[in-house]
Amino acid sequence: AQSVTQLGSHVSVSEGALVLLRCNYSSSVPPYLFWYVQYPNQGLQLLLKYTTGATLVKGINGFEAEFKKSETSFHLTKPSAHMSDAAEYFCAVSALGTGTASKLTFGTGTRLQVTL
Amino acid sequence: GAVVSQHPSRVICKSGTSVKIECRSLDFQATTMFWYRQFPKKSLMLMATSNEGSKATYEQGVEKDKFLINHASLTLSTLTVTSAHPEDSSFYICSASIPPGLAGTDTQYFGPGTRLTVL
Repeated sequence: AQSVTQLGSHVSVSEGALVLLRCNYSSSVPPYLFWYVQYPNQGLQLLLKYTTGATLVKGINGFEAEFKKSETSFHLTKPSAHMSDAAEYFCAVSALGTGTASKLTFGTGTRLQVTL
Repeated sequence: GAVVSQHPSRVICKSGTSVKIECRSLDFQATTMFWYRQFPKKSLMLMATSNEGSKATYEQGVEKDKFLINHASLTLSTLTVTSAHPEDSSFYICSASIPPGLAGTDTQYFGPGTRLTVL
């Protein structure tokens, strides 16, 4: 079974500061990992994903995440926060589901607040 | 690319009525779609997996007779909340899955969600 833990339900940073959102996973098989962002009253938008290969994954809006197998982590970072980054961020791990598609297991989410 | 739409975006209904929510993949075909429910300030809870041309697979604890799912084509899945009650009020989000291709896993793309309020 897969599980995801997001440390910190709420993170606040100043505009221009480093963003670090933590995600640790548990998986009995090599994981596929995702970060999604959700703006208020909207669905989820894919930021980036790790499947195989390079462990440092670059996504949209300047975000990146590094897969560290030894630490079972997939933390999300951005060098300089922007006000528009304020949103809810979800880390997810995929598992085999019915048919050909995989089911996602989500973390509980981290709300990012960006202050002036 | 990979755009998923939902309709309606918001619906208010009376207790006891049924509500249908549509999920469409606009620029790709999706063999599999997923339906989630999200409570305020909470994560997404998977309700069911919808495969085109076959019955949906429901997660444990989800009433299949209450939440009817139909995946009639490769671009459309519908969720019908039957005999809705106030406790069914929630944010319902669908996703459509794109196969993995040459590497890795399939990827889910999400719709914008539907806010259901049952009075």
